Amino acid sequence: AQTVTQSQPEMSVQEAETVTLSCTYDTSESDYYLFWYKQPPSRQMILVIRQEAYKQQNATENRFSVNFQKAAKSFSLKISDSQLGDAAMYFCAYGETGANSKLTFGKGITLSVRP
Amino acid sequence: EPEVTQTPSHQVTQMGQEVILRCVPISNHLYFYWYRQILGQKVEFLVSFYNNEISEKSEIFDDQFSVERPDGSNFTLKIRSTKLEDSAMYFCASSPEIGSFYGYTFGSGTRLTVV
Repeated sequence: AQTVTQSQPEMSVQEAETVTLSCTYDTSESDYYLFWYKQPPSRQMILVIRQEAYKQQNATENRFSVNFQKAAKSFSLKISDSQLGDAAMYFCAYGETGANSKLTFGKGITLSVRP
Repeated sequence: EPEVTQTPSHQVTQMGQEVILRCVPISNHLYFYWYRQILGQKVEFLVSFYNNEISEKSEIFDDQFSVERPDGSNFTLKIRSTKLEDSAMYFCASSPEIGSFYGYTFGSGTRLTVV
């Protein structure tokens, strides 16, 4: 079974600085998707960024970018120019192609942003 | 932007009572999902549903749980006899297609409290 590991429970960053959130996963599949979701206090699940495993280029979305290392099964999220509104829980998730498109989530990391 | 709508946002129920959580997926989506998040823990897959039948379920989704799409627009999760440990956030999600995760959208969740 696929597993997703987020080993850091909490991180803190100064406003305007850069922070990197770590995620590793385990799978025997070669084709899959990886995601970062943001969960603010409202507890809504907001998609931050997605990466397709067959694409070598790292995904970027404005201030958010990933470092996808397929061989190492590592998928970290970099947040540049951190803003107060970035404070939230962040979940890394794995999705297998085909099958039933279910997502497997990590335990999450709480990010706080210091003004 | 199309949304997945979940009602109610918060439900309190007595232990042993039946509860129905409701979701209205995005109108052209064909695949539907329920996830659960116990407070402070990771989001866990419960069940996927397509073409009016369950396509996959997790070991959490035991005989106490059922899903249906009663009228072509709503997608419901029923818990037959609630237990204290069913207290959690329940998320519905829908997707227009299988395998690519494009358009995969979560609702804002229902917080279920069992007392």
